[in-house]
Amino acid sequence: DTAVSQTPKYLVTQMGNDKSIKCEQNLGHDTMYWYKQDSKKFLKIMFSYNNKELIINETVPNRFSPKSPDKAHLNLHINSLELGDSAVYFCASSRGGLYNEQFFGPGTRLTVL
Amino acid sequence: GNSVTQMEGPVTLSEEAFLTINCTYTATGYPSLFWYVQYPGEGLQLLLKATKADDKGSNKGFEATYRKETTSFHLEKGSVQVSDSAVYFCALSDLGGADGLTFGKGTHLIIQP
Repeated sequence: DTAVSQTPKYLVTQMGNDKSIKCEQNLGHDTMYWYKQDSKKFLKIMFSYNNKELIINETVPNRFSPKSPDKAHLNLHINSLELGDSAVYFCASSRGGLYNEQFFGPGTRLTVL
Repeated sequence: GNSVTQMEGPVTLSEEAFLTINCTYTATGYPSLFWYVQYPGEGLQLLLKATKADDKGSNKGFEATYRKETTSFHLEKGSVQVSDSAVYFCALSDLGGADGLTFGKGTHLIIQP
């Protein structure tokens, strides 16, 4: 069974569109995250979320918003897509706490034309 | 703020060579330290971790020791294989993981037969 899954794996869309990426984890973890990996492979945290608190990286535009229908899901909504949003987006989860070992999904490659 | 600095690649070695990838960090508290590996087209996998000073993490022949005095967590392997070719990320987690992982820029390792 896949621990952390994301859909779709590839997403190609036009500038100005609104899109969503879904993430599900079956590990029973309390905390989920979204990361952005740019073309140079640099990874940066976008959001961390558990059922009590959403922490937003201050550099993330407000066009990006996480939505969590339940503890096992954290979807990423992006409005008014821009060329610079093209990247690979990774979902991750952890049980939280000090040791914070995170488990990553396979990634979604977003291409904005 | 927190930061992680690792040697930038690509690092090209011959099979059976000794590997060292340097990693140093800056953190406000007492972080946990991680090495993640990303194989082509895949998500990140945890390779090893250390949660306090002088801890040694090890897995699949890779080792790294948490050195508080030098704020380092260098990755080593005695004899690399072609299958070790991947991108390696050093990362830290602080503040109980609430802010997610802070990653280094990644080191692309290429092992030639």
